[in-house]
Amino acid sequence: DAGITQSPRHKVTETGTPVTLRCHQTENHRYMYWYRQDPGHGLRLIHYSYGVKDTDKGEVSDGYSVSRSKTEDFLLTLESATSSQTSVYFCAIRGSINEKLFFGSGTQLSVL
Amino acid sequence: QQQVKQSPQSLIVQKGGIPIINCAYENTAFDYFPWYQQFPGKGPALLIAIRPDVSEKKEGRFTISFNKSAKQFSLHIMDSQPGDSATYFCAATLLETSGSRLTFGEGTQLTVNP
Repeated sequence: DAGITQSPRHKVTETGTPVTLRCHQTENHRYMYWYRQDPGHGLRLIHYSYGVKDTDKGEVSDGYSVSRSKTEDFLLTLESATSSQTSVYFCAIRGSINEKLFFGSGTQLSVL
Repeated sequence: QQQVKQSPQSLIVQKGGIPIINCAYENTAFDYFPWYQQFPGKGPALLIAIRPDVSEKKEGRFTISFNKSAKQFSLHIMDSQPGDSATYFCAATLLETSGSRLTFGEGTQLTVNP
C-alpha cells in the first residue's frame, strides 16, 4: 500500500478512554490525511497535514486532534472516545497536490 | 454538507454488463474528479480521474463521462467481470488549494455475478 502502515489494524475500546491511531509512511510525502469511512457517508476528512507541525481541520474534526512531529508519522487522537466514533479510519498520503492520493489499509475502531 | 452525491447505493449486474455509477457535485470550482475502487479490507485505490476540460476519458474498460453544465459525472465499466465487484467512490476537489482535499460521494457497492 504505497509505503503506508496504519496501526493498530483493529482496536476495541470503551467510551471515555483516549485512543491514538498511528499512520507511518516511508515515501517522504508532504501531505497526509485522516479519513473516516461510514456506511452511507463515504469517506469524510477529519484532519490533514501539509508538513511537519502544519495541520488543518477537515469536515468532521470535532472530537479529534492530530499531531505531526516527523514527516513520516501522522497521529490521530480521540481524546475521549464516544460510540459515534466507531468507524474505519484511513490514512492517506500525497507527494504534491497534483499527485495521486494513496490510502493505507485502515484501522477498524469499535467504541463500546 | 454533502457536496458530492452518488447513486445508486448498490448495483448488481451480470458478467459482461455495463454498470453505470453517477455523481453530482455542487461546487463549480472543483477541477479534478477521481474515481476510487475499494475491495473489502483494503483502502481505496485510484481507478481513473478526469479534469473538466474534457467530456470523456477512457482507461481500459473504465470510462468517465463528464457533463460540466449539469455538474455531473459518471463511471461506466465495459464488459464487467466478477473481479470488478467492489465499492466505488467518486470524489471531487479544487487542486492547489487547502491541500487538495477530496470530497467523496457516499459509495456504490457493485456486484458482478458470473
